[in-house]
Amino acid sequence: GAVVSQHPSRVICKSGTSVKIECRSLDFQATTMFWYRQFPKKSLMLMATSNEGSKATYEQGVEKDKFLINHASLTLSTLTVTSAHPEDSSFYICSARATDGAQYFGAGTRLSVL
Amino acid sequence: GENVEQHPSTLSVQEGDSAVIKCTYSDSASNYFPWYKQELGKRPQLIIDIRSNVGEKKDQRIAVTLNKTAKHFSLHITETQPEDSAVYFCAASISHAGGTSYGKLTFGQGTILTVHP
Repeated sequence: GAVVSQHPSRVICKSGTSVKIECRSLDFQATTMFWYRQFPKKSLMLMATSNEGSKATYEQGVEKDKFLINHASLTLSTLTVTSAHPEDSSFYICSARATDGAQYFGAGTRLSVL
Repeated sequence: GENVEQHPSTLSVQEGDSAVIKCTYSDSASNYFPWYKQELGKRPQLIIDIRSNVGEKKDQRIAVTLNKTAKHFSLHITETQPEDSAVYFCAASISHAGGTSYGKLTFGQGTILTVHP
């Protein structure tokens, strides 16, 4: 099956620092990747759609200058949380869309901002 | 935009019983409906999906049914086992022309399934 790799799995950082999360599709090309945020015992909240070679599309209420997305190749998208603060602490998950439309998820990144 | 409602929020069954989770969606243009299983702290895993050109799909103990007229779809798990315990999410999205490009997924709220030995 399709494999999506996400790194790092866990990040602990000080308030004010920036954190970069990588999402890679290992055995398929993904023109579109998605970034989600998930709170404990809650559903996945779409933050933005990452399109290879073009600007990301952000959902309403998501600050694009806060959450920078880059999709430089067909297998890699990155999410950078800039100047992280404690309220940014969360579980961030990426997914990659295969050519048949199915989405496969990364293992997630648990961000803790002190 | 699309809105997906999922019920129940929690479901407790005895091992060997069947479990049914139901979802409704609002946008009649939606035509792709996947189901994901997420264990605690793990990634959501695609377990089955259905497209609008079929009414039912089965894969071993898991089946999904779709009623486009009523705009609802359901997940059926038969002969449940303790390892089926997890959170299950339904989702809906719209396929663009040609079926090669699918839009973003809208997720239901999730169902916590507990299977007691």
